[in-house]
Amino acid sequence: DGGITQSPKYLFRKEGQNVTLSCEQNLNHDAMYWYRQDPGQGLRLIYYSQIVNDFQKGDIAEGYSVSREKKESFPLTVTSAQKNPTAFYLCASSTDLLTRDGYTFGSGTRLTVV
Amino acid sequence: AQSVTQLGSHVSVSEGALVLLRCNYSSSVPPYLFWYVQYPNQGLQLLLKYTTGATLVKGINGFEAEFKKSETSFHLTKPSAHMSDAAEYFCAVKSFNKFYFGSGTKLNVKP
Repeated sequence: DGGITQSPKYLFRKEGQNVTLSCEQNLNHDAMYWYRQDPGQGLRLIYYSQIVNDFQKGDIAEGYSVSREKKESFPLTVTSAQKNPTAFYLCASSTDLLTRDGYTFGSGTRLTVV
Repeated sequence: AQSVTQLGSHVSVSEGALVLLRCNYSSSVPPYLFWYVQYPNQGLQLLLKYTTGATLVKGINGFEAEFKKSETSFHLTKPSAHMSDAAEYFCAVKSFNKFYFGSGTKLNVKP
């Protein structure tokens, strides 16, 4: 079955470390997204990509970086510049940016700073 | 920019009772409207969507929602709550190339 795989499910980061969250999809979708979820705040867009080798900042991109070298993969790096990285991170994809079909979401990665 | 307001961050109903989760949005043009459900430590799953056509939309698990343009609302209902409905529900609006999510409503179902 097609879907989005996020790994790891749980991740612990020490202060000052960079960590990379994986997101892989086999839906043949062009567009991919990263969201951050904090309790009571809904979902906030970090980065999105509409095509390979292209990506755009979302609403809260500071302290994060991404790459899109393959259609199937959109990894997110949480850098040491992100001062409050503890959150639930969700990756999503869609056929394209203008689709009316909604997004397909992965099952998330919970990142905790220790 | 769009905004999506979900009235009530927590809603509690008894098993078998009506579920009503409220969603209002701001939009000057007809948007695409969605409801998603999230179980603990899981991603979001699409419940239903409105794009065009019939304003009463039926989704999975017995949920439905009605698009009311004059009220800029898209409330989610289910006639009879089941224990398995306990989850967090998100209303979302898609306008042009961007999604706007509400802050979520946690539904508690009491036995």
